[in-house]
Amino acid sequence: DAGITQSPRYKITETGRQVTLMCHQTWSHSYMFWYRQDLGHGLRLIYYSAAADITDKGEVPDGYVVSRSKTENFPLTLESATRSQTSVYFCASSESGGRNTGELFFGEGSRLTVL
Amino acid sequence: AQSVTQLGSHVSVSEGALVLLRCNYSSSVPPYLFWYVQYPNQGLQLLLKYTSAATLVKGINGFEAEFKKSETSFHLTKPSAHMSDAAEYFCAVRGGNKLVFGAGTILRVKS
Repeated sequence: DAGITQSPRYKITETGRQVTLMCHQTWSHSYMFWYRQDLGHGLRLIYYSAAADITDKGEVPDGYVVSRSKTENFPLTLESATRSQTSVYFCASSESGGRNTGELFFGEGSRLTVL
Repeated sequence: AQSVTQLGSHVSVSEGALVLLRCNYSSSVPPYLFWYVQYPNQGLQLLLKYTSAATLVKGINGFEAEFKKSETSFHLTKPSAHMSDAAEYFCAVRGGNKLVFGAGTILRVKS
């Protein structure tokens, strides 16, 4: 089915381990985003990408790494997980060009717990 | 920089009552504004959006929002709440090619 999928949906890891959250979209949207959702903070932007091989920092990028070698994939890596990175992570995508109103299409989220 | 403030982290209404969720924005340019809804254990889905056309915007599930420039507001309303409306609602403003979200308002609907 077309859409945006995230994996894994649930992940438990330990402090110091590397974790990669995957995001795949089938719409060929140019823009992709990673947000984290924490109680009281809403959604905060971690990183975003305007196209393959173009990425930029958002509001809370520290401790995270992204790459975008293909338009459809936008993995998010926590190189050395910390407890403060326990959160729900959402991937989103949007179109570009003149019709772009900024509307985002979201995946179902990846719930990460760092022990 | 663009930002939004949602007034009230929790709102509780009775089934059949008016729903009013408040959002105020700050933007240096004419804003594009959005309301998203999140049901438990799901991603966010778009309820409605304002893109500088009509100031009263109608969305899905009977929701609507009115853009008021003089008040820098974009409040979300629904005339009659239904149990299925219980969810978390997020207001957002476009900043460049990104969306900036508010902290969210959890709507509880009492029977």
